[in-house]
Amino acid sequence: KQEVTQIPAALSVPEGENLVLNCSFTDSAIYNLQWFRQDPGKGLTSLLLIQSSQREQTSGRLNASLDKSSGRSTLYIAASQPGDSATYLCAVDNNDMRFGAGTRLTVKP
Amino acid sequence: SQTIHQWPATLVQPVGSPLSLECTVEGTSNPNLYWYRQAAGRGLQLLFYSVGIGQISSEVPQNLSASRPQDRQFILSSKKLLLSDSGFYLCACTRLAGGTGELFFGEGSRLTVL
Repeated sequence: KQEVTQIPAALSVPEGENLVLNCSFTDSAIYNLQWFRQDPGKGLTSLLLIQSSQREQTSGRLNASLDKSSGRSTLYIAASQPGDSATYLCAVDNNDMRFGAGTRLTVKP
Repeated sequence: SQTIHQWPATLVQPVGSPLSLECTVEGTSNPNLYWYRQAAGRGLQLLFYSVGIGQISSEVPQNLSASRPQDRQFILSSKKLLLSDSGFYLCACTRLAGGTGELFFGEGSRLTVL
């Protein structure tokens, strides 16, 4: 059974810092990996989707990488802003989507 | 692009009462549909997924059930709620046919069982 782990569980940084969130998974036979953002009390917003054949995806200040063979993905956020404060979740697709517990990010002004 | 509607947005129910949460999808056809639960401070737990009308796969104990009476309608039910059923319930869909398999979520239904 696929297990997804996210490290760290929580992260607090000053505004302007670049940061990296980590996601690891135990079964490398995935179709894709997706990063989401969740604001308190809200649903999940898709940030980036990486297909299994891809190594990375970029959207604005976000860059996600995928190393399927080692079961790892990273989400890089450049020049962080207070508005980036949220919980970030990764999910992997093995015919159903399995989620990590998330990283709660706080960006301090 | 697809839109997912969930209702009710919030619900407070006594222990032992029934439950019905509804999810409808617009903007796509033949989606895979999912119900997730997010308990306070915890990750998302997959409850059910469906690849077509009347096709339901279950990941959880039988206090909850799901049905898919129409292609773009997914319903989560319980006959008798337990305290442990409290949580944030999220409906999601993927559009696989000709698509990327990207998962999209509704805004969620917050259930409190007292």
